[in-house]
Amino acid sequence: GESVGLHLPTLSVQEGDNSIINCAYSNSASDYFIWYKQESGKGPQFIIDIRSNMDKRQGQRVTVLLNKTVKHLSLQIAATQPGDSAVYFCAEALNQAGTALIFGKGTTLSVSS
Amino acid sequence: GAVVSQHPSRVICKSGTSVKIECRSLDFQATTMFWYRQFPKQSLMLMATSNEGSKATYEQGVEKDKFLINHASLTLSTLTVTSAHPEDSSFYICSAPTTGGKNIQYFGAGTRLSVL
Repeated sequence: GESVGLHLPTLSVQEGDNSIINCAYSNSASDYFIWYKQESGKGPQFIIDIRSNMDKRQGQRVTVLLNKTVKHLSLQIAATQPGDSAVYFCAEALNQAGTALIFGKGTTLSVSS
Repeated sequence: GAVVSQHPSRVICKSGTSVKIECRSLDFQATTMFWYRQFPKQSLMLMATSNEGSKATYEQGVEKDKFLINHASLTLSTLTVTSAHPEDSSFYICSAPTTGGKNIQYFGAGTRLSVL
């Protein structure tokens, strides 16, 4: 079936660098996308979301970019900190009305100081 | 943000026993909750959608008689793993979407189930 996937399973950066985590999705009907951060042994934590009628959204130190033409989603983390080390998942949904999420495979971000 | 509480955080049981996991939305009502399963170093896989006041909807390949879901109130859904076996050992996570048009799903902290 259709699913959301990530380009790289791991990403290692130095503290203070900018991080870019990528995700490719295949369901062109998906209308809503979310990035989650999951630390070891914990549930996913909401980071930022974006609807399909937007191509960019910014939060605190994070930016999500959506390219519907190539079905690509990315999460940019500015001035990456050791506390950002975790697994990052993108997820997609058909709409915002509380439907189930389809998760990508995840990227493990390691930040060294 | 909204809070979803999941209990217990960890459970170890013998093969053949049943285990109940609770998922509560603490500061909002949730007519729908979701149950996911996550194996080590893998992504979250949707198991079922829990619907308040009606039967749960299960994903293909998930045995409804093995994974019993009850959504008895607007703030509580339970997942019971019946006659657990070692292959059921996994990380189980629930989520609940907030209402008001947004689909921000908040997740519980997860339950680590180990079946001996």
